[in-house]
Amino acid sequence: SAVISQKPSRDICQRGTSLTIQCQVDSQVTMMFWYRQQPGQSLTLIATANQGSEATYESGFVIDKFPISRPNLTFSTLTVSNMCPEDSSIYLCSVARGTMVLEQFFGPGTRLTVL
Amino acid sequence: AQRVTQPEKLLSVFKGAPVELKCNYSYSGSPELFWYVQYSRQRLQLLLRHISRESIKGFTADLNKGETSFHLKKPFAQEEDSAMYYCALGRGGATNKLIFGTGTLLAVQP
Repeated sequence: SAVISQKPSRDICQRGTSLTIQCQVDSQVTMMFWYRQQPGQSLTLIATANQGSEATYESGFVIDKFPISRPNLTFSTLTVSNMCPEDSSIYLCSVARGTMVLEQFFGPGTRLTVL
Repeated sequence: AQRVTQPEKLLSVFKGAPVELKCNYSYSGSPELFWYVQYSRQRLQLLLRHISRESIKGFTADLNKGETSFHLKKPFAQEEDSAMYYCALGRGGATNKLIFGTGTLLAVQP
């Protein structure tokens, strides 16, 4: 398994501002992912964070709104830009090792509330 | 389109009763199915995967391609099984990703 931490664990933000969420893993991993879980909904993949290159975004998510960085194999950030109340969600980081990409380990999540 | 359906938002059973959490999927390729679980105040974690054909904490799940189902079963529920259970469909190859169902909250009553 992998030990994954996220910062912040929760935040309350004003409309129009941006928040950067950090994800730190205790060991090198091949793949890192960012998910969103809106209230009462399931987890939806936002993007795959690629080390050394641009993230791969899923349909409905764009880089301008959710810029992602992954400077090395243990760290990634997700920024939620120009926030609105609809962005209120839990944001989760997950990682996968080697070829077992679909067996993912999840971080504790960041609970974001936008006023 | 790939989709995972968990028809029950809440399943309440008594301790010792059998449990079946339903999961149906829609996928044109060869699916990989998983069950993830989230206990209260804990993070989401992998419970089991269909390719392993394993039993974890007494839970089993069989992939039925004919019915496109991957139901999670346990013969005798325990109170500590109370949690949120998510069925997930894995797409492999160049587009590795998991597609999650909406989850079922299992409540085991004493």
